[in-house]
Amino acid sequence: GAVVSQHPSRVICKSGTSVKIECRSLDFQATTMFWYRQFPKQSLMLMATSNEGSKATYEQGVEKDKFLINHASLTLSTLTVTSAHPEDSSFYICSAREGQSNSPLHFGNGTRLTVT
Amino acid sequence: QKEVEQNSGPLSVPEGAIASLNCTYSDRGSQSFFWYRQYSGKSPELIMSIYSNGDKEDGRFTAQLNKASQYVSLLIRDSQPSDSATYLCAVRPPGTASKLTFGTGTRLQVTL
Repeated sequence: GAVVSQHPSRVICKSGTSVKIECRSLDFQATTMFWYRQFPKQSLMLMATSNEGSKATYEQGVEKDKFLINHASLTLSTLTVTSAHPEDSSFYICSAREGQSNSPLHFGNGTRLTVT
Repeated sequence: QKEVEQNSGPLSVPEGAIASLNCTYSDRGSQSFFWYRQYSGKSPELIMSIYSNGDKEDGRFTAQLNKASQYVSLLIRDSQPSDSATYLCAVRPPGTASKLTFGTGTRLQVTL
């Protein structure tokens, strides 16, 4: 089945620094990838849709200048959390779809971000 | 009203029993429905997808969809302790390309 690789799996950073998270589709091309965030005991909340070769589409309430998304190739999307603060500590998960628009999403293993 | 609703649980079933997980959704035009399993600290993994009314079986799992009543369910037969996890219902509303809306998940505990 489709494999989505996400790196790093865990990162601890100091407040004010930036963190980059990579998401790769390993065995398929993904023109669209999705970035979700999950706080403890809550469901996945879509942050943004990453579009290859164009600007990302952000969900309401998500600051595009804080969460920079780059989708430079058909297999790689990156999320950079800029000037991270403790409230940004969360589980960030990327996903991608293989094939048609009604196909299921496949998720990366997630990145646990802790901002101290 | 939440777009996708699930009972948070925990739902406790004995080993070998059938676990029944339910989900309702608000957008009647939704066409694609998915069940994901998420272990604590891990990302979701796809269990089942269903697109048409009725039942869809895959091994010990059966997904049931009733678009008229706007609910989708997941049955797990012969439940095993390894099935203990949070089960997320996901719905693709119409006109949203590939975006999925997730429920808050139901925590399942399979007891020995």
